[in-house]
Amino acid sequence: EAQVTQNPRYLITVTGKKLTVTCSQNMNHEYMSWYRQDPGLGLRQIYYSMNVEVTDKGDVPEGYKVSRKEKRNFPLILESPSPNQTSLYFCASSSSDRVIGQPQHFGDGTRLSIL
Amino acid sequence: DQQVKQNSPSLSVQEGRISILNCDYTNSMFDYFLWYKKYPAEGPTFLISISSIKDKNEDGRFTVFLNKSAKHLSLHIVPSQPGDSAVYFCAASIITGANSKLTFGKGITLSVRP
Repeated sequence: EAQVTQNPRYLITVTGKKLTVTCSQNMNHEYMSWYRQDPGLGLRQIYYSMNVEVTDKGDVPEGYKVSRKEKRNFPLILESPSPNQTSLYFCASSSSDRVIGQPQHFGDGTRLSIL
Repeated sequence: DQQVKQNSPSLSVQEGRISILNCDYTNSMFDYFLWYKKYPAEGPTFLISISSIKDKNEDGRFTVFLNKSAKHLSLHIVPSQPGDSAVYFCAASIITGANSKLTFGKGITLSVRP
């Protein structure tokens, strides 16, 4: 079954404690990205990756890091989480970043609460 | 500045009737428009899209209309079913540099009453 898998699904943690949200896709997609969803703001892109070892900032990258060492994995790293990073996070993938209108496949989300 | 706007936060319709979800945008450079549906505790799933060079695209019960002069698009669901109850996001696609970026609206919650 084609899917994007995120872990954990839920996490409550404290300010300053480093955390990583993993994302894995089994569709051999080149393009992967991270979004956060906040009430009244829709989904906003954090980082994206066009392929292995190629990453770049989206609209709201501050406080986040990513890496793309393998095609299937795209972890989101919060080195020093703060309460304003409390949000619902989605990982997404698609087969090509240059195919206009190519729909992205989303994971089921990770709800992070930073106390 | 929000480039994709879904001004109505919610919509309630009777089962069997038409649901019309609206979306406005400000950037005339958008190339593609997409609709995603989202159920609670799940990620958004792709529903239907339309190229900026077309004015209508139909897929079963779902039709998207694009009015470029008004920078407006709408999603029609006919007939509406209770299983259509979800949050619907309008999104627009544009290539900026090397990134084919999706810009999302805030979403609209559709409730279909049995």
